[in-house]
Amino acid sequence: GESVGLHLPTLSVQEGDNSIINCAYSNSASDYFIWYKQESGKGPQFIIDIRSNMDKRQGQRVTVLLNKTVKHLSLQIAATQPGDSAVYFCAELGLDSSYKLIFGSGTRLLVRP
Amino acid sequence: DGGITQSPKYLFRKEGQNVTLSCEQNLNHDAMYWYRQDPGQGLRLIYYSQIVNDFQKGDIAEGYSVSREKKESFPLTVTSAQKNPTAFYLCASMAGQGYEQYFGPGTRLTVT
Repeated sequence: GESVGLHLPTLSVQEGDNSIINCAYSNSASDYFIWYKQESGKGPQFIIDIRSNMDKRQGQRVTVLLNKTVKHLSLQIAATQPGDSAVYFCAELGLDSSYKLIFGSGTRLLVRP
Repeated sequence: DGGITQSPKYLFRKEGQNVTLSCEQNLNHDAMYWYRQDPGQGLRLIYYSQIVNDFQKGDIAEGYSVSREKKESFPLTVTSAQKNPTAFYLCASMAGQGYEQYFGPGTRLTVT
């Protein structure tokens, strides 16, 4: 399948450990953020989202943290599994149009067995 | 079974030929999008459409064209004017303003 993470920053973690993937966003006035997971050769899948009136949101094994002061978003994955290996993208809602998402460059997560 | 379909999964063309990539959604979403992804890169927006019969250029629209005659369909034509057309093309749709985008499985286009 196609590799979409040839030159992306890579995070390597041991199976069972927690993973933290970071993202810096560009616009301090952005009010909606999303994390996507993309497996090799596939389209991105929605993981979790957060609006700017929150600083933390939890899903199943995932937590997103939003620090508006430093324009930083993070995705925490608990008890990382081999199936979590993928490229992870953050996205923010564009200011010029509420229909446009601005995607970060992505981080590749590798889970060691 | 709702979702976004893109066909074909792999597409091969000779240089100088136009090619049209299909994207269909049955999610009843108003907005649809086309992105291009190159190896080791993020997603770059080509075109998007908020409603039927209307569309806007994204960041890299040169060498591409789209149409939106039906709510369910948003085909992308890669023209011979696109200098580096070989890439992975992703279609997406969105329910409304300020919501997540749902992505199709992608089409890998190779032009030789």
